[in-house]
Amino acid sequence: NAGVTQTPKFRVLKTGQSMTLLCAQDMNHEYMYWYRQDPGMGLRLIHYSVGEGTTAKGEVPDGYNVSRLKKQNFLLGLESAAPSQTSVYFCASCRDYSTDTQYFGPGTRLTVL
Amino acid sequence: QQQVKQSPQSLIVQKGGISIINCAYENTAFDYFPWYQQFPGKGPALLIAIRPDVSEKKEGRFTISFNKSAKQFSLHIMDSQPGDSATYFCAASRSEYGNKLVFGAGTILRVKS
Repeated sequence: NAGVTQTPKFRVLKTGQSMTLLCAQDMNHEYMYWYRQDPGMGLRLIHYSVGEGTTAKGEVPDGYNVSRLKKQNFLLGLESAAPSQTSVYFCASCRDYSTDTQYFGPGTRLTVL
Repeated sequence: QQQVKQSPQSLIVQKGGISIINCAYENTAFDYFPWYQQFPGKGPALLIAIRPDVSEKKEGRFTISFNKSAKQFSLHIMDSQPGDSATYFCAASRSEYGNKLVFGAGTILRVKS
């Protein structure tokens, strides 16, 4: 099992450009999450999904959109990137409501110039 | 609004010593308190977790102490080793739709050999 994978690993964007980050999990987990990690601020939840076709806002959703068309994939989109979105993005998954353990991917380092 | 406050920001401990990291939370509805360990360039990984029905949980050299009345919990690493050098995050969540975690800001631990 690969667990949780993220693509790409690194990306540099110019202000105003758009991009999509892909998260995939092969553990048949129902719940999936997108976090951003910034120095001195820990991880903050952007959006999450409790099942295929569902999405919900987290703590810092502005400027991001998500889609969960397939159970194993969770996409994070930036429609018009801003320098404030420079961060490391982590995807995580959790089996379902019966367990709390979240498994994290290796992260995507995004720089917006 | 930081719902989970973590201290210290950084910690240097001699090999064989005890590392202690503290967290305080505000929301009394939280009922799950995990600690995550993160190595440079990697995603966070669950280290140990506790629920408020117990005051202490031990797994090998790692112990969580929980004080419900004070709304505080801490991680103790006994016999600290250089391989324990990493960033540690405390977190909290409530058993509800989504298992959403709220993270502390993180503690960078360095164990000197």
